[in-house]
Amino acid sequence: GQQVMQIPQYQHVQEGEDFTTYCNSSTTLSNIQWYKQRPGGHPVFLIQLVKSGEVKKQKRLTFQFGEAKKNSSLHITATQTTDVGTYFCAGLSGAGSYQLTFGKGTKLSVIP
Amino acid sequence: KAGVTQTPRYLIKTRGQQVTLSCSPISGHRSVSWYQQTPGQGLQFLFEYFSETQRNKGNFPGRFSGRQFSNSRSEMNVSTLELGDSALYLCASSFRQGIGYEQYFGPGTRLTVT
Repeated sequence: GQQVMQIPQYQHVQEGEDFTTYCNSSTTLSNIQWYKQRPGGHPVFLIQLVKSGEVKKQKRLTFQFGEAKKNSSLHITATQTTDVGTYFCAGLSGAGSYQLTFGKGTKLSVIP
Repeated sequence: KAGVTQTPRYLIKTRGQQVTLSCSPISGHRSVSWYQQTPGQGLQFLFEYFSETQRNKGNFPGRFSGRQFSNSRSEMNVSTLELGDSALYLCASSFRQGIGYEQYFGPGTRLTVT
């Protein structure tokens, strides 16, 4: 079955440093989504990428979808303490699939 | 719009018992998915319902079942509970648009099996 690998599992950064998490799928994806889960909370949708090579930005967050549509990344510039949480990628494998496969997430800690 | 609601929020059960969890999606959303979240396995897909039909099922034993009602509310049932079923159970609703769909998660039901 489809697998989505996400690295690193944990990341500790000093406030103001950049942060990147990477997602890799075993199969070609029709789209990929990113979610953030704050400690004690539930996943919250951040963005969806659909096109090969797509890049989207949300303020300090930059999302990329690989050319082969098998990998993706989330980059945060100049982290803040409000960025703390676990970031998940989730891939949708193809037409007719109604199942999102989640990566195990990257837990981000920001040291003030 | 009100968000996704799940009841109960916390539950403690004994091994061998069964449990039913409830999820009310955002108004107008017809798709409801269920996930099990544990520290070791992350978010694992259980099943997805759309218009009362189960369209997809994850790799979980038959003890895990679900259903969706005509008003899109959904329930999941776990029979013969095992210690390993202790987890946060999340439901998510979506309004299908295009080839993908963003999911809106509820706060979850924290199930503890003793």
